[in-house]
Amino acid sequence: AAGVIQSPRHLIKEKRETATLKCYPIPRHDTVYWYQQGPGQDPQFLISFYEKMQSDKGSIPDRFSAQQFSDYHSELNMSSLELGDSALYFCASSLKAGELFFGEGSRLTVL
Amino acid sequence: AQSVAQPEDQVNVAEGNPLTVKCTYSVSGNPYLFWYVQYPNRGLQFLLKYITGDNLVKGSYGFEAEFNKSQTSFHLKKPSALVSDSALYFCAVRDTGNEKLTFGTGTRLTIIP
Repeated sequence: AAGVIQSPRHLIKEKRETATLKCYPIPRHDTVYWYQQGPGQDPQFLISFYEKMQSDKGSIPDRFSAQQFSDYHSELNMSSLELGDSALYFCASSLKAGELFFGEGSRLTVL
Repeated sequence: AQSVAQPEDQVNVAEGNPLTVKCTYSVSGNPYLFWYVQYPNRGLQFLLKYITGDNLVKGSYGFEAEFNKSQTSFHLKKPSALVSDSALYFCAVRDTGNEKLTFGTGTRLTIIP
């Protein structure tokens, strides 16, 4: 069965640079979520989209933005990167109020 | 506001023994409850969920969880632990009308051979 696909799996950037993460949800899932998981931390909700419209917003910095495109894939854009942005970034998708299915994550390292 | 508490950072169990990983929650409406497992450098894998119906929910890999409304708990259980069950376990909750899941801080389960 198709799963949530995230790219890239690993990304190394320097401070003040920009990074873009991509997510391809499970086909026919109507909601996409982005989570950030710092080292030894639980996943923190960043933002979600329902049918391509932003539906909820969590602890997402102003330097970050996200969108969902007509083909339902989503991108998380991170600018002016800081050392503290180093984390695993997970995308997840769900159908209505069902369980979330997570991708394998994108590991961002900011040097 | 919705929240989840996992009171134990670490749980150690001997192989073959029953295991329990604790979770309590707080919501203003009706809870949707989930358990996920995470292996090192991997994504979160769905184990089981409670939405409505029977309080005892069975999930993947022989895990089950019991919803207890009066104690606002949703403890994860397994009758006989395997070494391969060693991983990080997250409880999560979604309140009625919310989309996002809120995760607990995680419990590292170690099964000792």
